[in-house]
Amino acid sequence: DAKTTQPPSMDCAEGRAANLPCNHSTISGNEYVYWYRQIHSQGPQYIIHGLKNNETNEMASLIITEDRKSSTLILPHATLRDTAVYYCIVRVAKRSQGNLIFGKGTKLSVKP
Amino acid sequence: SAVISQKPSRDICQRGTSLTIQCQVDSQVTMMFWYRQQPGQSLTLIATANQGSEATYESGFVIDKFPISRPNLTFSTLTVSNMSPEDSSIYLCSVEEGIGQGDGYTFGSGTRLTVV
Repeated sequence: DAKTTQPPSMDCAEGRAANLPCNHSTISGNEYVYWYRQIHSQGPQYIIHGLKNNETNEMASLIITEDRKSSTLILPHATLRDTAVYYCIVRVAKRSQGNLIFGKGTKLSVKP
Repeated sequence: SAVISQKPSRDICQRGTSLTIQCQVDSQVTMMFWYRQQPGQSLTLIATANQGSEATYESGFVIDKFPISRPNLTFSTLTVSNMSPEDSSIYLCSVEEGIGQGDGYTFGSGTRLTVV
């Protein structure tokens, strides 16, 4: 699975959009981009995933560049409860292809 | 999404003893995963547990230290054997979701283990 690079930490003001970048320059054509987050003292939580098109759900939007070498997770209106470590993961396929490989992630702090 | 019940949520254990962690899922799943998260670190996969077969361990983890059971499609246990303070971590189980249910993985809330 391709390796990802994320900034170790970011701050965001409450109510503003949080834009979390991820570089995955060695991503293969059949690898998806997944985002998870881990709120303190909880297990990781799935947020969103995509292959090459931009995706949006009730939690966030995922913007993937045309060359697929980087992506951005957007939390449109960050709240204090969005303070967490955010993990960008790339992996092949979606089912029965093994586990998730976690990097160090980005620690997002949402401030009042 | 699948609901995972993981027990115990936390424990403090004496070195040299063993602790068995249980992971119960509310639906049948093929693959279950066990992770370790050391203090301040990211998650590291310990092993993959498939029902009806031996667990597959990642490099650095061995069956004698972390025996795993997978008696059916909704349950698994991880035992941390002969514990030392270095085993103090959060241990999490995870299952893979079906298509249309997030297409991702669901994690238990973890077991926070402290070895003294």
